[in-house]
Amino acid sequence: DIQMTQSPSSLSASVGDRVTITCRASQSISSYLNWYQQKPGKAPKLLIYAASSLQSGVPSRFSGSGSETDFTLTISSLQPEDFATYSCQQTYSTPYTFGQGTKLEIK
Amino acid sequence: QVQLVESGGGVVQPGRSLRLSCAASGFTFSRYTMHWVRQAPGKGLEWVALISHDGNNKYYADSVKGRFTISRDNSENTVYLQMNSLRAEDTAVYFCAREPTGGLDAFDIWGQGTMVTVSS
Repeated sequence: DIQMTQSPSSLSASVGDRVTITCRASQSISSYLNWYQQKPGKAPKLLIYAASSLQSGVPSRFSGSGSETDFTLTISSLQPEDFATYSCQQTYSTPYTFGQGTKLEIK
Repeated sequence: QVQLVESGGGVVQPGRSLRLSCAASGFTFSRYTMHWVRQAPGKGLEWVALISHDGNNKYYADSVKGRFTISRDNSENTVYLQMNSLRAEDTAVYFCAREPTGGLDAFDIWGQGTMVTVSS
């Protein structure tokens, strides 16, 4: 199975900050990497697919990059509604594993 | 509107069975691969199973293989998860999600989830 490791596990930041979250795969997954945002008690929401493609309706302050084993999610200027948990996911091969999540909290 | 609605969760004793349902609306269900994903309390997301758009291909996480069965009824726009021999570690919120065939390789719509608690 492909292991997905996110860092950091938690992060404190302020409104307006630029934030980067990293996801590393245990083997090459090409660009089969997705990012989801999840708020407490809610379902995950797709933000980025195929490593760098912005899902329809997602604000342009979210961006993704990377390929093979190393990927990043960047939020260019944090807004109050962005405080949530972010998870990466590989869809290169089953089982479609997720990272453990990064909780983004208000500083 | 495009929607997935799960049902069937509840409290069940270890070793017993439960069947979850996920009803789809607002899109052509038969064109989508469907997934079940779970989240134990305070934990991360865990992919559980997938079924192809036509029901011919199914894949499972090792943690549920041999105990859980995914199925779908395209005439009823519903995907199911039959869970047998339930264990305490199966306690989680179970989400269904859709994956468009031929492109996105991501889960673009999710249901709200249904809670399954396995406890004596």
